[in-house]
Amino acid sequence: ETGVTQSPTHLIKTRGQQVTLRCSSQSGHNTVSWYQQALGQGPQFIFQYYREEENGRGNFPPRFSGLQFPNYSSELNVNALELDDSALYLCASSLVVDTDTQYFGPGTRLTVL
Amino acid sequence: GQNIDQPTEMTATEGAIVQINCTYQTSGFNGLFWYQQHAGEAPTFLSYNVLDGLEEKGRFSSFLSRSKGYSYLLLKELQMKDSASYLCAVRALNSGYSTLTFGKGTMLLVSP
Repeated sequence: ETGVTQSPTHLIKTRGQQVTLRCSSQSGHNTVSWYQQALGQGPQFIFQYYREEENGRGNFPPRFSGLQFPNYSSELNVNALELDDSALYLCASSLVVDTDTQYFGPGTRLTVL
Repeated sequence: GQNIDQPTEMTATEGAIVQINCTYQTSGFNGLFWYQQHAGEAPTFLSYNVLDGLEEKGRFSSFLSRSKGYSYLLLKELQMKDSASYLCAVRALNSGYSTLTFGKGTMLLVSP
């Protein structure tokens, strides 16, 4: 158990819809990173939030957006869902931005039909 | 960009030793991580190397050579529960922030 929680566990949406995924960091961790993991692949970096500001972004389109709240919990929003967005979405929290180990939550399995 | 290579699959026998290799090419190297991921679960942290050499943690050891862009994870006294995907991840510090880039993972199957 890493102390990082995510909700929901599973989600089914249809193409074109919007989705919001949620993550609660391990206590005291002020940095949250989001990853997309397709079947049989390693996690791919979407973006990172540090103290409520986006602190880096991977190669994902603008329809992937996020928020971090004062309690350091975080949301990942995806608009105009596409079939290829079907994946496991992982959030990871760390105590110190840039130098600390990231600890992962259990993930949200998103299926887009 | 960054490139991380690791074997797709490996098999080993219970009680044996297995070495999983990882090679990488990156700028702004700031550490290498190994994670274990069981099917349908989140990756769990195993080890971290930022300096050259061997880090040992129980049955697991990880080695890093920064000049060669090479790391390995060594698993000793293999158990059935070690059957999982092992992810090599490189942290790089560029443009003022760090990113963690993962390889595709090595699926290890431990047989009796």
